[in-house]
Amino acid sequence: DTEVTQTPKHLVMGMTNKKSLKCEQHMGHRAMYWYKQKAKKPPELMFVYSYEKLSINESVPSRFSPECPNSSLLNLHLHALQPEDSALYLCASSLDVGTQYFGPGTRLLVL
Amino acid sequence: EDKVVQSPLSLVVHEGDTVTLNCSYEVTNFRSLLWYKQEKKAPTFLFMLTSSGIEKKSGRLSSILDKKELFSILNITATQTGDSAVYLCALSSGTYKYIFGTGTRLKVLA
Repeated sequence: DTEVTQTPKHLVMGMTNKKSLKCEQHMGHRAMYWYKQKAKKPPELMFVYSYEKLSINESVPSRFSPECPNSSLLNLHLHALQPEDSALYLCASSLDVGTQYFGPGTRLLVL
Repeated sequence: EDKVVQSPLSLVVHEGDTVTLNCSYEVTNFRSLLWYKQEKKAPTFLFMLTSSGIEKKSGRLSSILDKKELFSILNITATQTGDSAVYLCALSSGTYKYIFGTGTRLKVLA
């Protein structure tokens, strides 16, 4: 099973809202990632958790707040987003630094 | 600085054609090179390459890595309209940072 699941599939939020994106994997992977992808661009790394600890933060604005409650779950908390934050948010996981498997993504629209 | 460059940026072919997509890279510490296919949503994994000269094959798709010349190619034979997608190449340098190329947008016409 190489499945990474993400919820919700679509999200529309206002600039004053607080929402969360969720990601789950049951492959025993110890690294989990958040990426942001704009149209016609490659995925852009935001955060990496390895062994449940934040190991990479690519200078992401504080209105994005990641959380890794356990080795299977990864959340991305969103607060006071801007319209330019509208994008496809992808979660991925990997066993150490091997193959990354991506979830289906959450398409976010900020109004 | 680590870098991945893909070419061509876009390609239009007819069903049945064979295509070759290129990925060249510069990296301080090479761990692996990965190919993904992305249609409307998430990238789906195609191949991971770690050793030079060993071809990986899956159906009509194949890929090979040249660590001396620092590039990889992805071949698709007898293309079908379902092969239309963006093909992404990504490099792992072993630090949990995967560096993606800008992708090749392939369109296969019926």
